[in-house]
Amino acid sequence: EDQVTQSPEALRLQEGESSSLNCSYTVSGLRGLFWYRQDPGKGPEFLFTLYSAGEEKEKERLKATLTKKESFLHITAPKPEDSATYLCAVLPFNKFYFGSGTKLNVKP
Amino acid sequence: DGGITQSPKYLFRKEGQNVTLSCEQNLNHDAMYWYRQDPGQGLRLIYYSQIVNDFQKGDIAEGYSVSREKKESFPLTVTSAQKNPTAFYLCASSTSGRTGSYEQYFGPGTRLTVT
Repeated sequence: EDQVTQSPEALRLQEGESSSLNCSYTVSGLRGLFWYRQDPGKGPEFLFTLYSAGEEKEKERLKATLTKKESFLHITAPKPEDSATYLCAVLPFNKFYFGSGTKLNVKP
Repeated sequence: DGGITQSPKYLFRKEGQNVTLSCEQNLNHDAMYWYRQDPGQGLRLIYYSQIVNDFQKGDIAEGYSVSREKKESFPLTVTSAQKNPTAFYLCASSTSGRTGSYEQYFGPGTRLTVT
């Protein structure tokens, strides 16, 4: 069964304290792995698509990496405005499968 | 401005009434999706459509219906048969991968409250 698991469920960081969010998946074939940011009451905002193991993508303080079984979203020197829920999704065929998200809180 | 619009932002209905949520996209995407999000939970797929006049049930289709008469539009009807309709509804569209890339974008969402 296709499945996506994100950890931790919640993460509290001090401003400037770097960390990583994990997304592990079990799917039969992978067309892409996606990262989103979601603010309360809003739709998810697309961040990255990763297609193959070893691929990396960066955007400001965020860097996403992909292996055959999991993806990491590394946050370097986070700021309070990085506080949000980060969602991971995989696309095996036609349907996207989402994890439950990691709620990140960055304290000043 | 390219994007996905959903209307209304907030919707209130009485139990037993059907209600239709609007979703329009001008990204020229072939595929469109409806998700439901409950507090503290991930996104659950209701219906999706890969092409005009065709759609498939997702994981929680019972009590919902959709149509796809135009590429740009994918309205969702929440029927009185849906036992727990109060939720945040998200519409999305995606590229089809014909160019080798997949990207899925979301609308701002509609918060439906049924009392």
